[in-house]
This record gives sequence, C-alpha cells and structure tokens, in this order.
Amino acid sequence: GENVEQHPSTLSVQEGDSAVIKCTYSDSASNYFPWYKQELGKRPQLIIDIRSNVGEKKDQRIAVTLNKTAKHFSLHITETQPEDSAVYFCAVISNFGNEKLTFGTGTRLTIIP
Amino acid sequence: DSGVTQTPKHLITATGQRVTLRCSPRSGDLSVYWYQQSLDQGLQFLIQYYNGEERAKGNILERFSAQQFPDLHSELNLSSLELGDSALYFCASSVDGRANNSPLHFGNGTRLTVT
Repeated sequence: GENVEQHPSTLSVQEGDSAVIKCTYSDSASNYFPWYKQELGKRPQLIIDIRSNVGEKKDQRIAVTLNKTAKHFSLHITETQPEDSAVYFCAVISNFGNEKLTFGTGTRLTIIP
Repeated sequence: DSGVTQTPKHLITATGQRVTLRCSPRSGDLSVYWYQQSLDQGLQFLIQYYNGEERAKGNILERFSAQQFPDLHSELNLSSLELGDSALYFCASSVDGRANNSPLHFGNGTRLTVT
C-alpha cells in the first residue's frame, strides 16, 4: 500500500517568516495530493490540493509544489500569522485499486508572535 | 460548517461495551469515510462506503463494523471496547467516492473515551 512520510513533525517559526512542510510518497501512480489543516480540537479542513499534471499551485499565502520524479510535495506558507498555528496533514491518493486517501503523520506548526 | 453531521459529540463508556457512532453526509454526497485519530496521532483510515456499498477497507479491527443505509447516513459500530479504542472518530463525505475528483469534507468528530 501507499506509504506517506511527513517532515518535520513539529515546526516553530517567527510570525511573518515562511514555513515549509514536506511529504514523500511511495506509489508512483499517485495522482492527487491534498493538504488539510486541523486546529486544536477541530476537524481537518482542506486548504489546498494539487493534481499530478500540475507542478505548483498557489492560493494567497499558501502554495503547494509537486515533484513527481522525486515523489515528494511540499506545503509553503508565507508571511505566517498566529492563526496559522495548527497541525497540517498531507495526503495522497493512488489512482490504483480502491483510491483511498492516505494521510501523513502530521506537522504541528507553531507561529511565535 | 462542513455539512457533515456526527453524533454524539462525546461518548464515555466502559471496557467491554459496545457503541454506535452516527454520521450524516453532506447533502448530495454519496460516499462516507471513517477515520480514527488517537491522541496526537494522525488520521487512520478505517473504511469507506459508496452509495450503500463498501468500497475500501483500511486498518479496521474485526471488533469494528460499519454500514451505510439507503438514506446514505452511516454508522460505525465498536464492540468489546478496550482502553486503546479511546480516540476521536471522524466521518468524512465526498460526492462521488473518488477522492481525487471530489475532496473529503470532515465532520466535527465523536470523541470516544473508554474507561
């Protein structure tokens, strides 16, 4: 099955600086890569996603980049704000078999005011 | 509000007992997914249903079972509960059950505490 590794597990950055979270996956047939944000005690919420036919996607301060050859993708948050503090999960879906979404282990991002 | 409704919000029960968690998907969504999140852990996929039929199975224990009813709501049954089953259980729904076509929308979860 699909194996998704996410790094780092914790990340602290000064407010206004950038944060980068990286995920690697094992199945080269994977074709969909969403990122979810989970605030403390709340549900995961989709913040951005990218498909395998695109190398980069941006939405205001958030961007995701995909390197299919190396089988990794990254979440970039620029000009970080206190409300960005949360746990971020990457996920991968393989267009092979049952297409289930496999999540990474999560990154706890803390923005230091 | 995601439109996915989970009940109850909290559940406290004893070891050996059986509980049922309920999920109503967003209007128009045909697929339901169940995930387990233990304290400070990631999201472990349990099972997926699409239009009443089981579509995918993850790391779901034999003590756990689920089903999706004709009105598309789903129930997750947990039996012979153990302390390690204490976790947040999330339900998510999507339109067509193909997560690369339609994103998952999560409910607020049911927090299960087994004492």
